[in-house]
Amino acid sequence: GAGVSQSPRYKVAKRGQDVALRCDPISGHVSLFWYQQALGQGPEFLTYFQNEAQLDKSGLPSDRFFAERPEGSVSTLKIQRTQQEDSAVYLCASSFWDNGYTFGSGTRLTVV
Amino acid sequence: GQQLNQSPQSMFIQEGEDVSMNCTSSSIFNTWLWYKQDPGEGPVLLIALYKAGELTSNGRLTAQFGITRKDSFLNISASIPSDVGIYFCAGQYSTNAGKSTFGDGTTLTVKP
Repeated sequence: GAGVSQSPRYKVAKRGQDVALRCDPISGHVSLFWYQQALGQGPEFLTYFQNEAQLDKSGLPSDRFFAERPEGSVSTLKIQRTQQEDSAVYLCASSFWDNGYTFGSGTRLTVV
Repeated sequence: GQQLNQSPQSMFIQEGEDVSMNCTSSSIFNTWLWYKQDPGEGPVLLIALYKAGELTSNGRLTAQFGITRKDSFLNISASIPSDVGIYFCAGQYSTNAGKSTFGDGTTLTVKP
């Protein structure tokens, strides 16, 4: 597609529920990133893929967070047993090697 | 946590005025990036800086990569109402598209 597509745009989860957030990067983009953006703050790095390989997951806040990109295109960020502090906007970005990122519009997750 | 200090936190200016915002870091970066984020959208890249001392323009926007590699500024000349939004600086350690560390943003309001 023309841009990075994320779904759903909004997700409300009850505390303890598992959620899955999807990212469709720009076709042909090798690199894919996930960021978490809390209200009033800048995005914080979660994890990075180059094709299907997860090269850096140092930003994942706990082992409840898991990301995959099995075929090197679409990626899913999964959060198990959601907690209130997981409420944030989750942004996906993709790039073709050393060009700048293109961000998606994000998924706003609210845990109640 | 965030390593970048972005200031000011917010600005209220009159249409036509010039704007200046800056970003300082406790660490050296090899790449500085400036983004703009509108409500409900992901950040959009405005300017990328790859070399210490570099001064780059994009229309009414001008950004500089500080000599110490620990700071950067963004200027907007002759502001217009559509300049409203949140401006983020971001630093990268690598010169290819890698993990970015973001500041907490400068919120710009332009009064017509």
